Amino acid sequence: SQTIHQWPATLVQPVGSPLSLECTVEGTSNPNLYWYRQAAGRGLQLLFYSVGIGQISSEVPQNLSASRPQDRQFILSSKKLLLSDSGFYLCAWRRSGGAGELFFGEGSRLTVL
Amino acid sequence: SQQGEEDPQALSIQEGENATMNCSYKTSINNLQWYRQNSGRGLVHLILIRSNEREKHSGRLRVTLDTSKKSSSLLITASRAADTASYFCATDGGGGSNYKLTFGKGTLLTVNP
Repeated sequence: SQTIHQWPATLVQPVGSPLSLECTVEGTSNPNLYWYRQAAGRGLQLLFYSVGIGQISSEVPQNLSASRPQDRQFILSSKKLLLSDSGFYLCAWRRSGGAGELFFGEGSRLTVL
Repeated sequence: SQQGEEDPQALSIQEGENATMNCSYKTSINNLQWYRQNSGRGLVHLILIRSNEREKHSGRLRVTLDTSKKSSSLLITASRAADTASYFCATDGGGGSNYKLTFGKGTLLTVNP
């Protein structure tokens, strides 16, 4: 069966510090991978998606970046965090081809102080 | 930009009652999906309805889709306290992309025992 792991679960970082959130998927190959952000009481904002190794599509201009160094690994990074980067970050995957349901990780709550 | 918009934003009912949530969207879709999110957790897929379908059932869930009105509804029958969660609709295939799933802001459902 397929599983998705996302870490760390919670993170408190000062403004200007770097960020690295990691997501890995097991039990499938060549998944489509996604990073969403959820602000308090709001819906999900798509940040990045990837359909293959090294292929990253950015949806929202910001100081965040994403990388996919391996088929089932998706990393969200920042060189210098802003207060506005605080939120709940969710990684998700779905089968290649683009259709069908998304499978979400448990999320990473980031607080930037 | 967010494609789906749920209505109402919050709904409070008694156990045993039915809960109806609505979703409106703006562009053409391949399918529409409903997800559930318990507080502080990742989203869980509930049901997918394709653009050529009008109604779908899964257990106590009933989803309808009206593509002429660009709207969908989720009905939860005989609600339970454990149904308390946020519910999101998500549209697939809008804006010419087959890879992105766009979420609304969600409906917070509270089922009182």
